[in-house]
Amino acid sequence: DIQMTQSPSSLSASVGDRVTITCRASQSISSYLNWYQQKPGKAPNLLIYAASSLQSGFPSRFSGSGSGTDFTLTISSLQPEDVATYYCQQSYTTPLTFGGGTKVEIK
Amino acid sequence: QVTLRESGPALVKPTQTLTLTCSFSGFSLTTSRMCVSWIRQPPGKALEWLARIDWDDDKYYSTSLKTRLTISKDTSENQVVLIMTNMDPVDTATYYCARCQSSGPIDYWGQGTLVTVSS
Repeated sequence: DIQMTQSPSSLSASVGDRVTITCRASQSISSYLNWYQQKPGKAPNLLIYAASSLQSGFPSRFSGSGSGTDFTLTISSLQPEDVATYYCQQSYTTPLTFGGGTKVEIK
Repeated sequence: QVTLRESGPALVKPTQTLTLTCSFSGFSLTTSRMCVSWIRQPPGKALEWLARIDWDDDKYYSTSLKTRLTISKDTSENQVVLIMTNMDPVDTATYYCARCQSSGPIDYWGQGTLVTVSS
């Protein structure tokens, strides 16, 4: 199975800060990397697909980059409504696998 | 619009078999590259992918759970069923069904159903 490792597991930042979350795959997954946002008590929502494509409905302050084994999710200017847990997931091969999540809070 | 809804028992006893049904609308599981996945999330923990069934009836399972899982579909009813045998308290989780595309993202999720395993 491909292991997905996210860091950090949690972070606290101020409104307006630039936030970066990293996801590493245990082997190359090309650009088959997706990011999800999950707010408390809710189902996850697709945020970024194919490593860098922003899902419709999300603001442009969210961006994704990377290929191969190393990927990054960036929030350019953190807003209160971005408080959530973010998960990466590889769709390169089955079994599909998720990262452990990064909980983002406001300082 | 695409919607998915999970249904099944909220409480099961240890060793029992869990049967969950995903009822969906807004897409067809006969469409090329379309699939439905099941994912679970224990309280306060991360997402865990369980199984997937594809438009062509290919089926895929979690390595650690594959001996306990069976996924099937009824395209005429727009339903996908997940069966998990020999339930244990560690299987207590919210279970989600979700639409996916082969090699693509999981793009629509159900609201989830909480299953508690307890005697």
